Amino acid sequence: AQTVTQSQPEMSVQEAETVTLSCTYDTSESNYYLFWYKQPPSRQMILVIRQEAYKQQNATENRFSVNFQKAAKSFSLKISDSQLGDTAMYFCAFMKLREAGGTSYGKLTFGQGTILTVHP
Amino acid sequence: ETGVTQSPTHLIKTRGQQVTLRCSSQSGHNTVSWYQQALGQGPQFIFQYYREEENGRGNFPPRFSGLQFPNYSSELNVNALELDDSALYLCASTAGWSTDTQYFGPGTRLTVL
Repeated sequence: AQTVTQSQPEMSVQEAETVTLSCTYDTSESNYYLFWYKQPPSRQMILVIRQEAYKQQNATENRFSVNFQKAAKSFSLKISDSQLGDTAMYFCAFMKLREAGGTSYGKLTFGQGTILTVHP
Repeated sequence: ETGVTQSPTHLIKTRGQQVTLRCSSQSGHNTVSWYQQALGQGPQFIFQYYREEENGRGNFPPRFSGLQFPNYSSELNVNALELDDSALYLCASTAGWSTDTQYFGPGTRLTVL
């Protein structure tokens, strides 16, 4: 079974600064996806960024980037130029990659979340 | 493109009652997954439906059941409600049954008294 751990229950940052959220995971799988989702007070879970484990290059999406360390099973999220709208709960999540002819399904395993507050 | 929608937004039930939650998947998506999110916690996987069949299940009792319809919309049914069933129920859809990114609806907040 997979586990995802987010060791920072809460983080805060000043507007326009950079913040890094940590995530570690445990799995015996070699092929998988990792995700960061954002959940603002409106409750809608929004995809921030996705990383395929077989790709060595770290994913980036505008102000969001990840530091993926497969051997260390670490997957941190860096938010640059933080904005007030980034205030939300952030979840790290793991999904096993479907194998050809396999029976696995798209189950996301989430961490406990990190509450990020951006101050003006 | 229409996103994932869920209804109702919130509801209140009493212990022992039954509830049905509904989800309409994003256009072109044939797979729906349901998650339970307790307050202050990460979502927990309940089950997934692919082409009207249950395609995988998490650690939830049989009183949690579901359906998927030919238009790929889905229902989550919970019988014999317990106080611990109070949570946000999230539905997510994807175009593939395992490897594609899941897109979430706004959730249904269920309170059991």
